[in-house]
Amino acid sequence: AQSVTQLGSHVSVSEGALVLLRCNYSSSVPPYLFWYVQYPNQGLQLLLKYTSAATLVKGINGFEAEFKKSETSFHLTKPSAHMSDAAEYFCAVSSMDSNYQLIWGAGTKLIIKP
Amino acid sequence: KAGVTQTPRYLIKTRGQQVTLSCSPISGHRSVSWYQQTPGQGLQFLFEYFSETQRNKGNFPGRFSGRQFSNSRSEMNVSTLELGDSALYLCASSLAVAGLAGELFFGEGSRLTVL
Repeated sequence: AQSVTQLGSHVSVSEGALVLLRCNYSSSVPPYLFWYVQYPNQGLQLLLKYTSAATLVKGINGFEAEFKKSETSFHLTKPSAHMSDAAEYFCAVSSMDSNYQLIWGAGTKLIIKP
Repeated sequence: KAGVTQTPRYLIKTRGQQVTLSCSPISGHRSVSWYQQTPGQGLQFLFEYFSETQRNKGNFPGRFSGRQFSNSRSEMNVSTLELGDSALYLCASSLAVAGLAGELFFGEGSRLTVL
């Protein structure tokens, strides 16, 4: 069965520092991978997606993620954190394995220190 | 282009009652997915409807049900409410099947409090 693991329920970084949010997945077939962001009191919004094209994917707000098949990872990064990046981030995977149902990670709350 | 609309935004019910939540997807979207979000359990998948047919179902008791109408609008119903059903219920729509579509568009949610 497919699964997604997000390491760290909370990650704290200083403004201007590198943001790294980790996501590992399990899938026996090529997956589609997604990162979503949820700001307080709002629904989720797509940040970026991997759908078997380029392994380095660029998203909105300066975020990017790299698909590494050998490590079954899809970590999210941003070179320089901004206060407005404070939110909860969700990684998700889908494939034929799950009948293309999205399988979600538990989420990581990103805290930005001034 | 109007986004995903969920009604009502907030509601309070008592144990044993039932509730119906509504979701209007973006025009042209054929898939509607429902999620339950709580601080303890995170984001839990309830079900997905595509062209009026339930495609996938999460691991929830039969008290949770849903349907989709021919205009793609969807409703979910929870009967015999329990305290643990207090949560934010999110609806998301997409052009194609959720896991293939590439992007889900979420509403702002319906916050249910069960007393």
